[in-house]
Amino acid sequence: KAGVTQTPRYLIKTRGQQVTLSCSPISGHRSVSWYQQTPGQGLQFLFEYFSETQRNKGNFPGRFSGRQFSNSRSEMNVSTLELGDSALYLCASEPGQGISTDTQYFGPGTRLTVL
Amino acid sequence: GQQLNQSPQSMFIQEGEDVSMNCTSSSIFNTWLWYKQDPGEGPVLLIALYKAGELTSNGRLTAQFGITRKDSFLNISASIPSDVGIYFCAGGSNYKLTFGKGTLLTVNP
Repeated sequence: KAGVTQTPRYLIKTRGQQVTLSCSPISGHRSVSWYQQTPGQGLQFLFEYFSETQRNKGNFPGRFSGRQFSNSRSEMNVSTLELGDSALYLCASEPGQGISTDTQYFGPGTRLTVL
Repeated sequence: GQQLNQSPQSMFIQEGEDVSMNCTSSSIFNTWLWYKQDPGEGPVLLIALYKAGELTSNGRLTAQFGITRKDSFLNISASIPSDVGIYFCAGGSNYKLTFGKGTLLTVNP
Protein backbone atom coordinates (compact mmCIF):
# COMPACT_ATOMS: atom_id res chain seq x y z
CA LYS A 1 0.00 0.00 0.00
CA ALA A 2 1.19 3.49 -0.78
CA GLY A 3 1.83 5.68 2.25
CA VAL A 4 0.43 9.08 3.10
CA THR A 5 1.31 11.61 0.42
CA GLN A 6 1.48 15.37 0.79
CA THR A 7 1.80 18.09 -1.81
CA PRO A 8 3.62 20.30 -2.29
CA ARG A 9 6.73 19.35 -0.32
CA TYR A 10 7.98 22.93 -0.13
CA LEU A 11 6.29 26.31 -0.29
CA ILE A 12 7.47 29.88 0.07
CA LYS A 13 4.88 32.58 0.70
CA THR A 14 4.85 36.15 1.93
CA ARG A 15 3.01 37.60 4.90
CA GLY A 16 -0.66 38.21 4.27
CA GLN A 17 -1.01 35.56 1.57
CA GLN A 18 -2.96 32.36 1.97
CA VAL A 19 -1.89 28.79 1.30
CA THR A 20 -3.54 25.43 0.67
CA LEU A 21 -1.84 22.14 1.46
CA SER A 22 -3.03 18.74 0.28
CA CYS A 23 -2.93 15.28 1.81
CA SER A 24 -3.90 11.86 0.47
CA PRO A 25 -4.27 9.20 3.18
CA ILE A 26 -3.31 5.55 3.00
CA SER A 27 -5.84 3.67 0.89
CA GLY A 28 -8.77 2.63 3.08
CA HIS A 29 -8.00 5.12 5.84
CA ARG A 30 -10.82 7.57 6.43
CA SER A 31 -9.41 9.63 9.28
CA VAL A 32 -6.96 12.41 8.42
CA SER A 33 -5.22 14.57 11.02
CA TRP A 34 -3.02 17.62 10.60
CA TYR A 35 -0.11 18.71 12.80
CA GLN A 36 2.20 21.71 12.84
CA GLN A 37 5.84 21.13 13.76
CA THR A 38 8.13 24.01 14.80
CA PRO A 39 11.44 23.99 16.70
CA GLY A 40 9.91 25.96 19.55
CA GLN A 41 6.54 24.28 20.02
CA GLY A 42 7.24 20.82 18.68
CA LEU A 43 4.41 18.83 17.14
CA GLN A 44 1.02 20.42 17.74
CA PHE A 45 -2.38 18.97 16.75
CA LEU A 46 -4.42 21.13 14.38
CA PHE A 47 -7.54 19.11 13.55
CA GLU A 48 -8.89 15.72 12.52
CA TYR A 49 -11.43 14.83 9.84
CA PHE A 50 -13.52 11.74 9.25
CA SER A 51 -16.21 11.29 6.61
CA GLU A 52 -15.87 14.94 5.60
CA THR A 53 -16.56 16.11 9.16
CA GLN A 54 -14.19 17.73 11.62
CA ARG A 55 -14.26 15.57 14.76
CA ASN A 56 -11.53 17.15 16.82
CA LYS A 57 -9.73 20.48 16.85
CA GLY A 58 -6.60 21.85 18.47
CA ASN A 59 -5.92 25.31 19.84
CA PHE A 60 -5.12 27.22 16.69
CA PRO A 61 -6.70 30.47 15.45
CA GLY A 62 -9.48 30.48 12.89
CA ARG A 63 -6.99 31.33 10.14
CA PHE A 64 -6.23 27.61 10.10
CA SER A 65 -8.98 25.59 8.48
CA GLY A 66 -9.38 22.31 6.71
CA ARG A 67 -11.74 20.10 4.83
CA GLN A 68 -12.05 16.54 3.70
CA PHE A 69 -13.45 15.22 0.47
CA SER A 70 -15.58 12.14 -0.15
CA ASN A 71 -12.49 10.18 -1.27
CA SER A 72 -10.89 10.97 2.16
CA ARG A 73 -8.31 13.33 0.68
CA SER A 74 -7.89 16.42 2.82
CA GLU A 75 -6.77 19.99 2.39
CA MET A 76 -5.57 22.48 4.95
CA ASN A 77 -5.77 26.21 4.42
CA VAL A 78 -3.99 29.00 6.23
CA SER A 79 -5.17 32.53 5.52
CA THR A 80 -3.42 35.85 6.20
CA LEU A 81 -0.06 34.18 6.72
CA GLU A 82 2.20 35.36 9.53
CA LEU A 83 5.94 34.82 9.95
CA GLY A 84 5.20 32.46 12.84
CA ASP A 85 3.30 30.13 10.52
CA SER A 86 6.59 28.95 9.05
CA ALA A 87 6.68 25.28 9.95
CA LEU A 88 6.57 21.70 8.76
CA TYR A 89 2.92 20.73 8.29
CA LEU A 90 2.32 17.04 8.71
CA CYS A 91 -0.66 14.97 7.72
CA ALA A 92 -1.42 11.59 9.29
CA SER A 93 -4.04 8.95 8.62
CA GLU A 94 -5.64 6.01 10.40
CA PRO A 95 -8.62 3.79 9.57
CA GLY A 96 -10.89 5.99 11.68
CA GLN A 97 -13.85 3.72 12.23
CA GLY A 98 -15.05 2.35 15.53
CA ILE A 99 -12.94 2.81 18.66
CA SER A 100 -9.78 4.68 17.75
CA THR A 101 -6.44 2.94 18.08
CA ASP A 102 -4.81 6.33 17.52
CA THR A 103 -2.22 4.52 15.40
CA GLN A 104 -1.47 7.29 12.96
CA TYR A 105 0.83 7.08 9.96
CA PHE A 106 2.50 10.27 8.81
CA GLY A 107 3.29 11.73 5.43
CA PRO A 108 6.60 13.46 4.61
CA GLY A 109 5.21 16.90 5.37
CA THR A 110 5.03 20.25 3.61
CA ARG A 111 7.72 22.75 4.57
CA LEU A 112 6.12 26.22 4.57
CA THR A 113 8.32 29.28 4.74
CA VAL A 114 6.68 32.68 5.23
CA LEU A 115 8.79 35.71 4.31
CA GLY B 1 -1.01 23.17 24.10
CA GLN B 2 -0.57 20.11 26.27
CA GLN B 3 2.69 18.23 25.83
CA LEU B 4 4.33 15.22 27.28
CA ASN B 5 7.53 15.36 29.33
CA GLN B 6 10.10 13.42 27.34
CA SER B 7 13.61 12.78 28.58
CA PRO B 8 16.42 12.95 27.98
CA GLN B 9 16.44 15.79 25.44
CA SER B 10 19.57 14.39 23.79
CA MET B 11 21.94 11.47 24.08
CA PHE B 12 25.42 10.81 22.75
CA ILE B 13 26.36 7.14 22.82
CA GLN B 14 28.85 4.72 21.36
CA GLU B 15 27.80 2.13 18.82
CA GLY B 16 26.76 -1.05 20.59
CA GLU B 17 25.45 0.64 23.72
CA ASP B 18 21.87 0.37 24.94
CA VAL B 19 19.62 3.43 25.09
CA SER B 20 16.61 4.25 27.23
CA MET B 21 14.20 7.17 26.98
CA ASN B 22 10.85 7.86 28.60
CA CYS B 23 7.76 10.01 28.61
CA THR B 24 5.47 11.09 31.41
CA SER B 25 2.19 12.94 31.44
CA SER B 26 -0.34 14.29 33.90
CA SER B 27 -3.09 12.89 31.63
CA ILE B 28 -4.19 9.35 30.91
CA PHE B 29 -3.88 8.09 27.35
CA ASN B 30 -5.54 5.18 25.56
CA THR B 31 -2.53 4.54 23.35
CA TRP B 32 1.20 5.21 23.57
CA LEU B 33 3.26 5.38 20.40
CA TRP B 34 6.91 5.87 19.59
CA TYR B 35 8.07 7.50 16.36
CA LYS B 36 11.45 8.23 14.77
CA GLN B 37 11.97 11.27 12.56
CA ASP B 38 14.84 11.88 10.18
CA PRO B 39 15.65 15.40 8.93
CA GLY B 40 13.19 16.66 6.35
CA GLU B 41 10.88 13.67 6.73
CA GLY B 42 7.71 12.82 8.60
CA PRO B 43 7.71 10.69 11.77
CA VAL B 44 7.85 6.94 11.19
CA LEU B 45 5.95 4.69 13.57
CA LEU B 46 8.21 2.34 15.52
CA ILE B 47 5.97 0.79 18.19
CA ALA B 48 2.33 1.17 19.25
CA LEU B 49 1.07 0.17 22.71
CA TYR B 50 -2.62 -0.29 23.50
CA LYS B 51 -2.96 -1.67 27.04
CA ALA B 52 -1.64 -0.59 30.42
CA GLY B 53 1.33 -2.74 31.36
CA GLU B 54 1.87 -3.93 27.78
CA LEU B 55 5.47 -4.65 26.81
CA THR B 56 6.15 -4.82 23.05
CA SER B 57 9.28 -5.43 21.01
CA ASN B 58 10.17 -4.59 17.42
CA GLY B 59 13.63 -5.97 16.66
CA ARG B 60 16.10 -4.18 18.91
CA LEU B 61 13.39 -1.84 20.20
CA THR B 62 11.30 -2.52 23.30
CA ALA B 63 8.61 -0.25 24.70
CA GLN B 64 6.20 -0.42 27.62
CA PHE B 65 2.85 1.20 28.37
CA GLY B 66 2.92 2.31 32.01
CA ILE B 67 0.49 0.79 34.50
CA THR B 68 -0.93 4.21 35.37
CA ARG B 69 -1.44 4.94 31.63
CA LYS B 70 0.49 8.17 32.18
CA ASP B 71 3.93 7.06 31.05
CA SER B 72 5.92 4.95 28.62
CA PHE B 73 9.53 4.07 27.94
CA LEU B 74 11.50 3.00 24.88
CA ASN B 75 14.69 0.95 24.96
CA ILE B 76 17.05 0.44 22.04
CA SER B 77 19.57 -2.34 22.44
CA ALA B 78 22.95 -2.64 20.74
CA SER B 79 22.68 0.71 18.96
CA ILE B 80 23.98 1.11 15.41
CA PRO B 81 24.81 4.28 13.43
CA SER B 82 21.49 4.26 11.56
CA ASP B 83 19.65 4.67 14.89
CA VAL B 84 20.63 8.35 14.72
CA GLY B 85 17.59 10.63 14.67
CA ILE B 86 14.93 12.21 16.80
CA TYR B 87 12.62 9.90 18.74
CA PHE B 88 9.19 11.11 19.77
CA CYS B 89 6.70 9.65 22.17
CA ALA B 90 3.01 10.32 21.60
CA GLY B 91 -0.06 9.73 23.73
CA GLY B 92 -3.23 8.99 21.83
CA SER B 93 -6.82 9.64 22.77
CA ASN B 94 -9.87 10.16 20.59
CA TYR B 95 -8.04 10.44 17.26
CA LYS B 96 -5.63 13.05 18.64
CA LEU B 97 -1.95 12.59 19.39
CA THR B 98 -0.08 14.63 21.99
CA PHE B 99 3.68 14.60 21.47
CA GLY B 100 6.77 14.88 23.58
CA LYS B 101 9.49 17.30 22.49
CA GLY B 102 11.73 14.51 21.29
CA THR B 103 15.04 12.86 22.16
CA LEU B 104 17.92 13.54 19.78
CA LEU B 105 20.06 10.41 19.55
CA THR B 106 23.62 10.53 18.24
CA VAL B 107 25.53 7.29 17.81
CA ASN B 108 29.31 7.42 17.48
CA PRO B 109 30.70 4.57 15.35
